[in-house]
Amino acid sequence: AQSVTQPDIHITVSEGASLELRCNYSYGATPYLFWYVQSPGQGLQLLLKYFSGDTLVQGIKGFEAEFKRSQSSFNLRKPSVHWSDAAEYFCAVGVRGSQGNLIFGKGTKLSVKP
Amino acid sequence: EPEVTQTPSHQVTQMGQEVILRCVPISNHLYFYWYRQILGQKVEFLVSFYNNEISEKSEIFDDQFSVERPDGSNFTLKIRSTKLEDSAMYFCASSKDRLENEKLFFGSGTQLSVL
Repeated sequence: AQSVTQPDIHITVSEGASLELRCNYSYGATPYLFWYVQSPGQGLQLLLKYFSGDTLVQGIKGFEAEFKRSQSSFNLRKPSVHWSDAAEYFCAVGVRGSQGNLIFGKGTKLSVKP
Repeated sequence: EPEVTQTPSHQVTQMGQEVILRCVPISNHLYFYWYRQILGQKVEFLVSFYNNEISEKSEIFDDQFSVERPDGSNFTLKIRSTKLEDSAMYFCASSKDRLENEKLFFGSGTQLSVL
């Protein structure tokens, strides 16, 4: 069965430091992969997605993610974190051929120290 | 940027009561979805809706649940007889096209508390 694992429940980084949030997936074929961010009181906002092609994907707000098939990973990165990046981040797998069935990880809460 | 709007932001109901959660998707979107997140657990897919019918649903979406697009702007989720375990944050989402062609826009959710 498809699943998504985000091994880090909570991460704290200093403002200006680099960030990497981990995501591993289990899926029988080439997946659709997504990263969403949720700020308090807000809905889920799409940061970036991978469907096919270049395995390094650029997203909004300076984020990028790399699809590594051999490691079943889709880690999210940002070279320099801003205080406004504090939020919860969700990795998700899209089931090919489905109508919107996204399988989410449990999320990683990011705190940013001044 | 256009938004998906959900009302109310928080709803409290008694076990066994019917509840309707309301959503206004983005106006030119054609695909509509409901997800939920029980506290401390993952966001889970419930149902997708296109062309006035359900196109896919999960095991969670049993006979107690129904969806409707009663007019040109609203998209509702009804739970007929709420149970304690239905307490969760319910997210509505919409998209212009199918998942692989277009991104999902999510609302900020309705927190449902069943007492």
